Amino acid sequence: EPEVTQTPSHQVTQMGQEVILRCVPISNHLYFYWYRQILGQKVEFLVSFYNNEISEKSEIFDDQFSVERPDGSNFTLKIRSTKLEDSAMYFCASRASYNYGYTFGSGTRLTVV
Amino acid sequence: GENVEQHPSTLSVQEGDSAVIKCTYSDSASNYFPWYKQELGKRPQLIIDIRSNVGEKKDQRIAVTLNKTAKHFSLHITETQPEDSAVYFCAASNGGNQFYFGTGTSLTVIP
Repeated sequence: EPEVTQTPSHQVTQMGQEVILRCVPISNHLYFYWYRQILGQKVEFLVSFYNNEISEKSEIFDDQFSVERPDGSNFTLKIRSTKLEDSAMYFCASRASYNYGYTFGSGTRLTVV
Repeated sequence: GENVEQHPSTLSVQEGDSAVIKCTYSDSASNYFPWYKQELGKRPQLIIDIRSNVGEKKDQRIAVTLNKTAKHFSLHITETQPEDSAVYFCAASNGGNQFYFGTGTSLTVIP
């Protein structure tokens, strides 16, 4: 079964540093997403990406965040100047079309110290 | 925007019993309702979904019901097994980009 792949699985970074989280969506999927999950809380939407541009973003997704699809396979989330409260599990997801469930990646656990 | 409420937050059942998790939503335009299972430290995995033109859907021991009038939908797991222990999230979508997730239900199946 096709999978969404995320790297790294765990990232520890100093407060104020920049991090890049990487994702390889399923190859025939067209819609890509980043969600985050703070420990013990619900999964929260960050951003959706379609046709090489952001289609929707949440209030959480401020100027500190950016996404990019640098080539035909990777989809990245960049967090500039990380804060302690950015510590969370970040999930990438993709889907082939609307009104179908996402396939989530295995997540990157980001710890900001 | 949409608001999804999920109850209970924790649920313990004896192996073999049934488990029911309930969600309500606020946006009458929501038309797609997936359920995800998340085992500890792992990714959420889609286990079943239902669309607004259907009232019930079943897949082996798992079923989901939808009441559009009351704006609630429920997950039913029958003959529970220890491997059903996980956190279950409901979600709602109005066909737009994002899914709105519930707060999760931690299900423990006691052997």
